Amino acid sequence: EVQLVESGGGLVQPGGSLRLSCAASGFTFSSYWMHWVRQAPGKGLVWVSRINSDGSSTSYADSVKGRFTISRDNAKNTLYLQMNSLRAEDTAVYYCARVTVVTPVYFDYWGQGTLVTVSS
Amino acid sequence: QSALTQPASVSGSPGQSITISCTGTSSDVGGYNYVSWYQQHPGKAPKLMIYDVSNRPSGVSNRFSGSKSGNTASLTISGLQAEDEADYYCSSYTSSSTLFVVFGGGTKLTVL
Repeated sequence: EVQLVESGGGLVQPGGSLRLSCAASGFTFSSYWMHWVRQAPGKGLVWVSRINSDGSSTSYADSVKGRFTISRDNAKNTLYLQMNSLRAEDTAVYYCARVTVVTPVYFDYWGQGTLVTVSS
Repeated sequence: QSALTQPASVSGSPGQSITISCTGTSSDVGGYNYVSWYQQHPGKAPKLMIYDVSNRPSGVSNRFSGSKSGNTASLTISGLQAEDEADYYCSSYTSSSTLFVVFGGGTKLTVL
């Protein structure tokens, strides 16, 4: 069974940092691109970042570029999101999501999400 | 503001059919057949319901169907059931240099 379990969320002050983790199991993690998608309270889904299967290629939404870094450790089956210089508008539930192999734009499995709250 | 435009809400009675629209541009919905739809119940993660405009993943009811015309994609749910009440999001690959995929703002489906 495919499982994605996020951790690392919490309350952080503006300007602070957090590192989110997403532990994957039930599939060959190293074969899949992975993404982070966030959802502010009561709002819609917003794509944040993606990384290819071996970690050699990444991309980011403009709103987080230069502040967030996506990475992965295929030996540990874990995806990461390092978030620096956090702002109030980064407050959201952060989901890690796997995309399909053939067409890597469809999110076929999602984690349960981890809440990040940026507030003083 | 979301890149894809969806109605904020739709409603229907059990057994009826509803359609949710999703309007984009030639850089996303209109330019590629990489449109998908997600269902999200309160407090839960989204679930993939439709991909490649009109294909259903294994296990998704055939009451869900998708289509596209020009820059507008649509999700139709037939034979509405109480458990269909949820938020629905469309998504598309985009050629934008600053994004990879774009989502709609979401549509709240209420089953009366």
